[in-house]
Amino acid sequence: QQKVQQSPESLSVPEGGMASLNCTSSDRNFQYFWWYRQHSGEGPKALMSIFSDGDKKEGRFTAHLNKASLHVSLHIRDSQPSDSALYFCAAYDTNAYKVIFGKGTHLHVLP
Amino acid sequence: GPKVLQIPSHQIIDMGQMVTLNCDPVSNHLYFYWYKQILGQQMEFLVNFYNGKVMEKSKLFKDQFSVERPDGSYFTLKIQPTALEDSAVYFCASSWTGDAEQFFGPGTRLTVL
Repeated sequence: QQKVQQSPESLSVPEGGMASLNCTSSDRNFQYFWWYRQHSGEGPKALMSIFSDGDKKEGRFTAHLNKASLHVSLHIRDSQPSDSALYFCAAYDTNAYKVIFGKGTHLHVLP
Repeated sequence: GPKVLQIPSHQIIDMGQMVTLNCDPVSNHLYFYWYKQILGQQMEFLVNFYNGKVMEKSKLFKDQFSVERPDGSYFTLKIQPTALEDSAVYFCASSWTGDAEQFFGPGTRLTVL
């Protein structure tokens, strides 16, 4: 079973709209979460991390973590065409010293 | 910002040959990683490396795979012999600590014929 599950697989939003991406972990060893973004032809780049319950805001991006349910989300306000990319949720396994990536959400921001 | 370099960007080889993928990580980073990605889909963890040793490897890290970083130079992934299913984009990453942000290189596209 996939230990880090992302939904939806693909998401289309209009320019200026709000994009919401979800991620759920099935392992309580996964305490630290990262969101990465990968544009076509490039390597992933970290957007933000979230380690504590609640919201964390960085510009147009807000991450939310609920440790009890092991659910983390990413919300992109005022989406831009340049936000079109593959978004990965990544969880750090404190027992195995490794990061597990979800399968990703393809975000398409339509001009 | 900090950059990870990967050489070459694209490698085409015949099945059964050996290939070495090279990574120049961020200079003060201590943890190094290799990932495999097929067709722009999931980023699959292969191996992580710290203090000269493999710390964790996945089932994708077959016996034909090996990693090393001799004398602080390139962090390398060697595949010997290669198989058709090894065709993918391989990403190297590095980080300061195990739970810190990982910085990824641009990837090496490996095509095994």
